[in-house]
Amino acid sequence: NAGVTQTPKFQVLKTGQSMTLQCAQDMNHNSMYWYRQDPGMGLRLIYYSASEGTTDKGEVPNGYNVSRLNKREFSLRLESAAPSQTSVYFCASSPGGGDPYGYTFGSGTRLTVV
Amino acid sequence: QKEVEQNSGPLSVPEGAIASLNCTYSDRGSQSFFWYRQYSGKSPELIMSIYSNGDKEDGRFTAQLNKASQYVSLLIRDSQPSDSATYLCAVNLNTGGFKTIFGAGTRLFVKA
Repeated sequence: NAGVTQTPKFQVLKTGQSMTLQCAQDMNHNSMYWYRQDPGMGLRLIYYSASEGTTDKGEVPNGYNVSRLNKREFSLRLESAAPSQTSVYFCASSPGGGDPYGYTFGSGTRLTVV
Repeated sequence: QKEVEQNSGPLSVPEGAIASLNCTYSDRGSQSFFWYRQYSGKSPELIMSIYSNGDKEDGRFTAQLNKASQYVSLLIRDSQPSDSATYLCAVNLNTGGFKTIFGAGTRLFVKA
């Protein structure tokens, strides 16, 4: 039972490069989320998908795009990476229904933009 | 600006003691409250959820909620060195949407 799987685990990008972070869950959850975690700032929501076919902006969406490919998969794309996007990125999922449940997190992607 | 505030710590307690972690939130309409544990270099793991005023116990963990004071706490009884981690408080906003706000976390050290 894998839960939430994120790839890659580590990535170094040069400024201006693009990349896609992949996330998949096998718990039949409806809702999926992308967070970034920076020292001293906690987790901040980038984008979320309440259900298959829908996506919405979170607190810090600038510089990112997302795709809910199907119920299992939710990807995050950086079109032109900037040093300010150096962070740890976590994908999470929840059963859904207005988010009264806690989240299950993936293991994270540590991204460095130089 | 919706906020969830936690003391960053570190909070240091001896093994076997009670660790008390506190959290305040600004949105009076918040409905769901969570505590996550995050070991260094790992992802957050849900350990407690609470929705009603009062106490909720699960093993060595007790979550306490006081909506009037906008205050959530986590007590860890018989603290163990393996409890050393950062504890994140999270609050689900009453927006009808899917917005959970996380505090920056409190670092806990349990000394053997």
